[in-house]
Amino acid sequence: DTGVSQNPRHKITKRGQNVTFRCDPISEHNRLYWYRQTLGQGPEFLTYFQNEAQLEKSRLLSDRFSAERPKGSFSTLEIQRTEQGDSAMYLCASVGVDGYTFGSGTRLTVV
Amino acid sequence: DAKTTQPNSMESNEEEPVHLPCNHSTISGTDYIHWYRQLPSQGPEYVIHGLTSNVNNRMASLAIAEDRKSSTLILHRATLRDAAVYYCILRGGFGSGTYKYIFGTGTRLKVLA
Repeated sequence: DTGVSQNPRHKITKRGQNVTFRCDPISEHNRLYWYRQTLGQGPEFLTYFQNEAQLEKSRLLSDRFSAERPKGSFSTLEIQRTEQGDSAMYLCASVGVDGYTFGSGTRLTVV
Repeated sequence: DAKTTQPNSMESNEEEPVHLPCNHSTISGTDYIHWYRQLPSQGPEYVIHGLTSNVNNRMASLAIAEDRKSSTLILHRATLRDAAVYYCILRGGFGSGTYKYIFGTGTRLKVLA
């Protein structure tokens, strides 16, 4: 068990560019979550997968955001046409019987 | 989703006990009380959880009020490494839906040397 891994740790992009983040969950966890966290706030729920099925999406997830989890293993979160308001920490978590295990997050800065 | 209320910040001296309160007056009978903490530049980290009875683990203790409308996270001897934002979260049991967490702004704990 190597925990939840997120890549990259940091991403700086120009406004209007597309970015993709990856999350590798704990292998035996079939539930995977994405959260977004802005400075001074707690994490906000974005979306949730059970195996490969995306079962819930927050209203925060605009049409520019898409998440996938092919084969129920790793997951990707893509943001198209980034805006400065997308600057945040993007957290991934996988869930076992005791609760969530979070990754260290990907910090996105849109300039 | 039931909400929690926590103080924005607290301070403690090193090696003294810390009691972090949380109010959750709208808790339902099947909601578990979870505590996580977040160190700078890290994702939240599991601390402890409970349903009705008080709980102890190597990190902390959780005291749950008899009516379950409030709880207290107890760090028995605060260290500088315990400086973090502590979140109290309610979560339904398995089978209760998405199992998602609703985070508040948490309590920022400052530990003084």
